Amino acid sequence: DQQVKQNSPSLSVQEGRISILNCDYTNSMFDYFLWYKKYPAEGPTFLISISSIKDKNEDGRFTVFLNKSAKHLSLHIVPSQPGDSAVYFCAASRGAGANNLFFGTGTRLTVIP
Amino acid sequence: GAGVSQTPSNKVTEKGKYVELRCDPISGHTALYWYRQSLGQGPEFLIYFQGTGAADDSGLPNDRFFAVRPEGSVSTLKIQRTERGDSAVYLCASSLEVGQIFNYGYTFGSGTRLTVV
Repeated sequence: DQQVKQNSPSLSVQEGRISILNCDYTNSMFDYFLWYKKYPAEGPTFLISISSIKDKNEDGRFTVFLNKSAKHLSLHIVPSQPGDSAVYFCAASRGAGANNLFFGTGTRLTVIP
Repeated sequence: GAGVSQTPSNKVTEKGKYVELRCDPISGHTALYWYRQSLGQGPEFLIYFQGTGAADDSGLPNDRFFAVRPEGSVSTLKIQRTERGDSAVYLCASSLEVGQIFNYGYTFGSGTRLTVV
């Protein structure tokens, strides 16, 4: 049973525009959320995280929004750049000291120059 | 090393054979994790080590899978009697300490693509 879901397998965005990647989760025990970016033939790299005590976390061009009541989070990239083209994974954990992450199936972002 | 190193990068094996996948974590990282990513899926947790001991192996799918980390550094994931369903990318990750995944995330290796024919 997939506890973290990314329902859009792909997204195309024009360079300079906003990219919005969505993620839903079913387990109400999740309280820490992370986004990873993955290029082909490389391992996922950590991008940004958010705790459930917050509803927004920002780092440069990347902002993650969390809506706990809807069990939904999103990653905004503004402005999008061609180098952002990658597969983005949403992940969740139960507690900051958790040992394992539950990943979504990923969304492939293509930023068109 | 500078990053997490996994060898081999690709492994093709026949059904029923035994395979070993190696992970060399970042020097000084005490926590080591194995994940498996099947086609079209996100990574799924297999096992994590704190030092030499497997602190949580709840993600191992069955007893054909086993992992060791005898000296608290390099880890080997071992799969016996491989099946076609074992075909996946096996990812290793490490972190400085247990419980750092929220602040810094894991550092993943590039993975070993295992194909069982």
